[in-house]
Amino acid sequence: QVQLQQSGPGLVKPSETLSLTCTVSGGSIGSYYWSWIRQPPGKGLEWIGYIYSSGTTSYNPSLKSRVTISVDTSKSQFSLKLNSVTAADTAVYYCATGRRFDPWGQGTLVTVSS
Amino acid sequence: QSVLTQPPSASGTPGQRVTISCSGSSSNIGTNTVNWYQQFPGTAPKLLIYSNNERPSGVPDRFSGSKSGTSASLAISGLQSEDEADYYCAAWDDSLNGLWVFGGGTKLTVL
Repeated sequence: QVQLQQSGPGLVKPSETLSLTCTVSGGSIGSYYWSWIRQPPGKGLEWIGYIYSSGTTSYNPSLKSRVTISVDTSKSQFSLKLNSVTAADTAVYYCATGRRFDPWGQGTLVTVSS
Repeated sequence: QSVLTQPPSASGTPGQRVTISCSGSSSNIGTNTVNWYQQFPGTAPKLLIYSNNERPSGVPDRFSGSKSGTSASLAISGLQSEDEADYYCAAWDDSLNGLWVFGGGTKLTVL
C-alpha cells in the first residue's frame, strides 16, 4: 500500500521559494502520476500540477510561470518548488498519488510571512 | 470561483438519504469522469468515489455516485453522524492544455 510522507518548511518569506518534498513508500514511484494540490485556510482545493515518473509534467495555468515539479526515482521522492511567493500562497499543501489522487500525504501548512 | 459548482452546504438527519450535486461543463464533466473526496477537519481528503460511480475498497456501499451530461451527484444513504464532513468533486478539464478542477466543496451537517 503506497504511503506518502511530506517534508519541508512551514514558513516562507515573501518573494522567496516554497520547497516541499514527498517521499513514497510501500510501492514503486514508477508508472504513476504524482500531484501537488493546495488548500488555502478555510477554502477549497486547487490542483497545482503533476509529474509522471518519466519526468513529464503538467501544471495549472494559473501557477505555471512559478511552479516546478521534479522527481528523483532513486530516492522515491518528488518535489514542488513555487517561487516568488506572496501571502496568497499560504495554504496546506498536499501531495497525492495517481489519477485518482489516492492516497494523499498528510499535508503541510505553509505560511508566507516575513 | 471554482470551475465545478457545488452547493456550499447540505444537511440531513440520521438514516436519511442526501445528495450533493456537482455541475460542470462540456470540457470537464461532460467529457471526463468524476471523482469525489471526503475531508474531515484538519485531515487530508480521502478518495470516496472514482470514475463516476466506483467505490475504492473499504468505502461503504452507502456512498454512491452518478453522472449525467455535465453534472454529477454523490448520494449518501442511511446517513450517519460520522458522515459529517466536507465533500469535493473533481474532474479533468480538457481546456488550456488540460488541468484538474475541483468543486468548491459541500459541508455536510448531520442534524
